[in-house]
Amino acid sequence: GALVYQYPRRTICKSGTSMRMECQAVGFQATSVAWYRQSPQKTFELIALSTVNSAIKYEQNFTQEKFPISHPNLSFSSMTVLNAYLEDRGLYLCGARGGASAETLYFGSGTRLTVL
Amino acid sequence: GQQVQQSPASLVLQEGENAELQCNFSTSLNSMQWFYQRPGGSLVSLFYNPSGTKQSGRLTSTTVIKERRSSLHISSSQTTDSGTYLCARTGGYKVVFGSGTRLLVSP
Repeated sequence: GALVYQYPRRTICKSGTSMRMECQAVGFQATSVAWYRQSPQKTFELIALSTVNSAIKYEQNFTQEKFPISHPNLSFSSMTVLNAYLEDRGLYLCGARGGASAETLYFGSGTRLTVL
Repeated sequence: GQQVQQSPASLVLQEGENAELQCNFSTSLNSMQWFYQRPGGSLVSLFYNPSGTKQSGRLTSTTVIKERRSSLHISSSQTTDSGTYLCARTGGYKVVFGSGTRLLVSP
């Protein structure tokens, strides 16, 4: 079956430092990978969408300078939170699908970021 | 405004009662998905339901595309059903989530 492995599951970093999270698609080709953040008491916000053969598209309030993303092949994506501060804490989720018409999204289990 | 509106925001039930969760979309709907968010945060896909009715055990999802809405019905609720239920518009590459319904089922 199709799965998305996301790691680490949780991480703690000091204010001003950076942390990286990764997602691995298994059983399908992840032609698009989207990264989301769920801040405390909020729903998921789309950070950016990475589609094969297209530039990574960042949503308003999120930038490549802050959340650089790598999507080097059809099974792997990573995102780094640079200079993390308190407002960056929350649950980060990657979601992948095998194309715009692919039926379902497959999500990783999330990376919970705590910033001290 | 919000593209995906969920209601109710929270719901408290006694075990055995039924629950009806609603999801309304402000823009045209190609496809949608219902998710259950575990306490740890991870998402479990319940239904991919672009149209019509789908059932899985005690869960039933009904999507009416022309009315831009979908519902999730939980029958004979159990305490283990407690958690957050999210709907999302999933057509195309961009996925938009609703704000979720927090369900608490008490024994």
